[in-house]
Amino acid sequence: GQQVMQIPQYQHVQEGEDFTTYCNSSTTLSNIQWYKQRPGGHPVFLIQLVKSGEVKKQKRLTFQFGEAKKNSPLHITATQTTDVGTYFCAGQSGRFGAGTRLTVKP
Amino acid sequence: NAGVTQTPKFQVLKTGQSMTLQCAQDMNHEYMSWYRQDPGMGLRLIHYSVGAGITDQGEVPNGYNVSRSTTEDFPLRLLSAAPSQTSVYFCASSYSSQGWDTEAFFGQGTRLTVV
Repeated sequence: GQQVMQIPQYQHVQEGEDFTTYCNSSTTLSNIQWYKQRPGGHPVFLIQLVKSGEVKKQKRLTFQFGEAKKNSPLHITATQTTDVGTYFCAGQSGRFGAGTRLTVKP
Repeated sequence: NAGVTQTPKFQVLKTGQSMTLQCAQDMNHEYMSWYRQDPGMGLRLIHYSVGAGITDQGEVPNGYNVSRSTTEDFPLRLLSAAPSQTSVYFCASSYSSQGWDTEAFFGQGTRLTVV
């Protein structure tokens, strides 16, 4: 079945540094979704990508969907303490990656 | 709209006890699902439903039962609790009956400890 993998598992950055997490699927995806979970909270939807090569931006966050629709990086520019949390990707079958936990040092 | 409501928020069970985690949504969503979240393992799909009267197994269904008698409710039953079921449980719903092609809304979670 579909497997979704994320790397890295943890990332600690200094405030103002950039951050990237990578989502990779064992099979071609029809779409990919990204969620953010703050510590102690529940996952909250960020975005969905559908088209091959698609790029979407939300302020300092840039989401991409690979040409083969098997990978999706999420890049955060100039991290802030409000970016702290775990970022998950999910494929169309509802299978989630293990997440990347981001901590930010002020 | 309340969104997705889960009860209880916290629960401690003894091994062998049974209980039902409640999930209700007021958004008229067709698709509902249950996940468990364990440290380092992300969110794993337990069961899901694409509409009233229809349920199916996810990645880790053993030890859990579900039913979907109404569009609004999707309870998760633990038949005989085991320590391995200690986890945080999330219920999610989305508009599309296909599931993951529209935004999913998550409940606040139920933190379950089995001793």
